[in-house]
Amino acid sequence: DIQMTQSPSTLSASVGDRVTITCRASQSISTWLAWYQQKPGKAPKLLIYKTSTLESGVPSTFSGRGSGTEFTLTISSLQPDDFASYFCQQYNTYPWTFGQGTKVEIK
Amino acid sequence: QVQLQESGPGLVKPSETLSLTCTVSNGSISGYYWSWIRQPPGKGLEWIGYLYSSGSTNYNPSLKNRVTFSVDASKNQFSLQLSSVTAADTAVYYCAKGGGGVVDYWGQGTLVTVSS
Repeated sequence: DIQMTQSPSTLSASVGDRVTITCRASQSISTWLAWYQQKPGKAPKLLIYKTSTLESGVPSTFSGRGSGTEFTLTISSLQPDDFASYFCQQYNTYPWTFGQGTKVEIK
Repeated sequence: QVQLQESGPGLVKPSETLSLTCTVSNGSISGYYWSWIRQPPGKGLEWIGYLYSSGSTNYNPSLKNRVTFSVDASKNQFSLQLSSVTAADTAVYYCAKGGGGVVDYWGQGTLVTVSS
C-alpha cells in the first residue's frame, strides 16, 4: 500500500495566519490527491481533489498544490471555522490510503 | 444534498460478525459508487472497500477475506459485514458516497466496539 505521511501532526495558529500542511506519498501518485476537513464528532468534508481543484462551496482561502510525492494544503488566512483536523488521501493506487491527519488548533 | 446514516450494533463480541447498514437519503443509490471507511480510536482512516449500485465490489486486500458488501436499491441502502472480528476492528465506521477516488459525502460515523 502507498503510505501517506502528513506533517505536522498538530499546528497551533491564530486567526488570520497563513498555514501550510504537507502530505508526502511513499511513491508517486501523480496528482491523484484529495484533502478533507473533519471537525470533532462530524462527518469529514471534501475540500480539494485532483491536488488543487476546490470542491464546490469551499472558500478560496484554501489551496492545494504538488505532484508526484509531495503535496501541500494552504489556508491563506485562517478563519475561526477552519480550526479542525485535515487529512490527505491518495487515489492513484488501490487501496486508497489516507494520511494520519493534522490538527489545526487555536494558538 | 445526499445524506448518509449508518446503523447497527455498537457492540460486537470477538469472533462474531459486525453488520452495518447505510441508508441514503435525498438521492438515489443507483448509478453511483459507495464506500465503507473506518477509523480506529486515535488512528488514521482505512478504506474498507467500495461497491457500485449494481452490486460489484472492490475490497481492501487487507480485509478481503472477511468483508462482504451488499446493496438493496429498493431501500436505498447498502451494507457491510465483517466476520471474525477482534479488538483490532474496534473503530468508527463511516459509509460514504464515492469509491472510484474521492468521497464527496460521508455519514456521521458509528462507533463499533469489539468486546466480550
